[in-house]
Amino acid sequence: EPEVTQTPSHQVTQMGQEVILRCVPISNHLYFYWYRQILGQKVEFLVSFYNNEISEKSEIFDDQFSVERPDGSNFTLKIRSTKLEDSAMYFCATTRTGGGPQHFGDGTRLSIL
Amino acid sequence: DQQVKQNSPSLSVQEGRISILNCDYTNSMFDYFLWYKKYPAEGPTFLISISSIKDKNEDGRFTVFLNKSAKHLSLHIVPSQPGDSAVYFCAANFYNQGGKLIFGQGTELSVKP
Repeated sequence: EPEVTQTPSHQVTQMGQEVILRCVPISNHLYFYWYRQILGQKVEFLVSFYNNEISEKSEIFDDQFSVERPDGSNFTLKIRSTKLEDSAMYFCATTRTGGGPQHFGDGTRLSIL
Repeated sequence: DQQVKQNSPSLSVQEGRISILNCDYTNSMFDYFLWYKKYPAEGPTFLISISSIKDKNEDGRFTVFLNKSAKHLSLHIVPSQPGDSAVYFCAANFYNQGGKLIFGQGTELSVKP
């Protein structure tokens, strides 16, 4: 069964540094999402992306965050200047039509020191 | 803003018995509800969903019930197996709008042999 692939599985970064989290969506999927889960809390929506532009973003997704699909296959989340509170699991999800279930990758654990 | 709530953080059942996981929501405009299962160090895995035009959907051992008037859904697992031990999240969104999933806090199910 096709999978959403995320790299790296674990990223450790100094506060203030930039990080890029990568996702390879399922090949015929057109809608892409980033979510995060801070330890012990619920999974929270960050941003959705369709047709090469942001469809919706949450209040968490401030100017420090950006997303792009640089080469037609990868879907990336960039955090420009990381803060301690950015430490979380980041999940990429994709869906083919915008309806129906979203399929999640196994996540990137981001640890900010 | 807790639009989707799972009030039981944990549930323990005996192998072979029924597991019932509950979820409440506040936004009556949601028209699509999903259950995801999550193992440690993995992403959420889609389990079963239900449209708001139905009140029941069944897939093997898993059945989801929707009570729109009470804004309540439940997941029944019969019979429960030790491999079902995981965190279960309910989620809701607006079908066909490519929109975000709004998750509950999760319920950790432990199925004891």
